[in-house]
Amino acid sequence: KAGVTQTPRYLIKTRGQQVTLSCSPISGHRSVSWYQQTPGQGLQFLFEYFSETQRNKGNFPGRFSGRQFSNSRSEMNVSTLELGDSALYLCASSTGTGNAGELFFGEGSRLTVL
Amino acid sequence: AQSVAQPEDQVNVAEGNPLTVKCTYSVSGNPYLFWYVQYPNRGLQFLLKYITGDNLVKGSYGFEAEFNKSQTSFHLKKPSALVSDSALYFCAVRANQAGTALIFGKGTTLSVSS
Repeated sequence: KAGVTQTPRYLIKTRGQQVTLSCSPISGHRSVSWYQQTPGQGLQFLFEYFSETQRNKGNFPGRFSGRQFSNSRSEMNVSTLELGDSALYLCASSTGTGNAGELFFGEGSRLTVL
Repeated sequence: AQSVAQPEDQVNVAEGNPLTVKCTYSVSGNPYLFWYVQYPNRGLQFLLKYITGDNLVKGSYGFEAEFNKSQTSFHLKKPSALVSDSALYFCAVRANQAGTALIFGKGTTLSVSS
């Protein structure tokens, strides 16, 4: 079974631009969540989508947004990029039913903001 | 507020020796606890989880973890370390609530020397 696929793997943007990251979950998984990983703050939860609805949201500014499509694929968007947005963005999927299940992570999208 | 602490930034062990990576948590209600491992420039890989039942949980690659409710700890252990175990290890907690969001510790770098 194919794992979680994230695209692009690497990207470079400049301050003020916006970026869209894509995530394809494991087949059959209906929950997709996003995390930001930085050396200073570690792994921080951004948001979770389940059946096209945002189910949970972390403590990030409104510049960070996401959506989920009917096929469970998800995108996250960051507008008006700041230098501090440079990070590894990880997508994770799970069945989403019940909350005892583990998350399956993609390889991540590494964003560098210049 | 929920939190996870990994008190050691780095753990160094010799190959063949037992290893322990420490984790303590703070959460209201019954916690769901997880350990993940991350290799350089890769996503997170699930190792094991505690949901309920036996306090000793066995996971992938020979790892195990012991849940201790009175000490609010969930330490990761392995009887005999391998050089290939060298990686970044994360402990995470999910409160017993809807959704799949995880709160991660800062991570512990495990270095196994030959």
